Amino acid sequence: NAGVTQTPKFQVLKTGQSMTLQCAQDMNHEYMSWYRQDPGMGLRLIHYSVGAGITDQGEVPNGYNVSRSTTEDFPLRLLSAAPSQTSVYFCASSYRAPGQIDSYEQYFGPGTRLTVT
Amino acid sequence: GQQVMQIPQYQHVQEGEDFTTYCNSSTTLSNIQWYKQRPGGHPVFLIQLVKSGEVKKQKRLTFQFGEAKKNSSLHITATQTTDVGTYFCAGGSKAAGNKLTFGGGTRVLVKP
Repeated sequence: NAGVTQTPKFQVLKTGQSMTLQCAQDMNHEYMSWYRQDPGMGLRLIHYSVGAGITDQGEVPNGYNVSRSTTEDFPLRLLSAAPSQTSVYFCASSYRAPGQIDSYEQYFGPGTRLTVT
Repeated sequence: GQQVMQIPQYQHVQEGEDFTTYCNSSTTLSNIQWYKQRPGGHPVFLIQLVKSGEVKKQKRLTFQFGEAKKNSSLHITATQTTDVGTYFCAGGSKAAGNKLTFGGGTRVLVKP
């Protein structure tokens, strides 16, 4: 098992450019999510998906789009990059939604470090 | 919305000493998960607590869930250099759509 993979590892964008961060998991997890991590602010949820074809917004969704056409893949699209989107982005997956009594752990990918100039 | 606060933000510990990091939620939680992130790495799951007053141990780490299910703590005894990293708590609830809300983390630095 590769677990959760993310590409690219590093990316530099100019303001206004668009790009897609890739995320894939091979554990047949239904739940996938995207977080951003900024210094001193922990991890904030951007978007999440409870299964193929179903996505929803998290805490900080503005400026980002997602889709979930397969169980394995959950790409994150930046529509028009802004300096405020400079951050480290983590994709995570789990068997089911992680915030309930019978939840399982979330597995995180290695992250994408994005700089927008 | 649900908020999860962690204190302290930074913890400088002498090797061999004990320390505790605390996690407080603005709402009653269904579960709380703890993660560790090494410098430059990604969060790695440590443990989940779901019962009121629950205490779980992993070697030198002791995790506790408060009676009211609104707070939690992580106590590390005899700190080692391998304990360096940032420890996050994350609380979930039905009111928050079964999503996890992460605390800001406690960054632990160990002085040899």
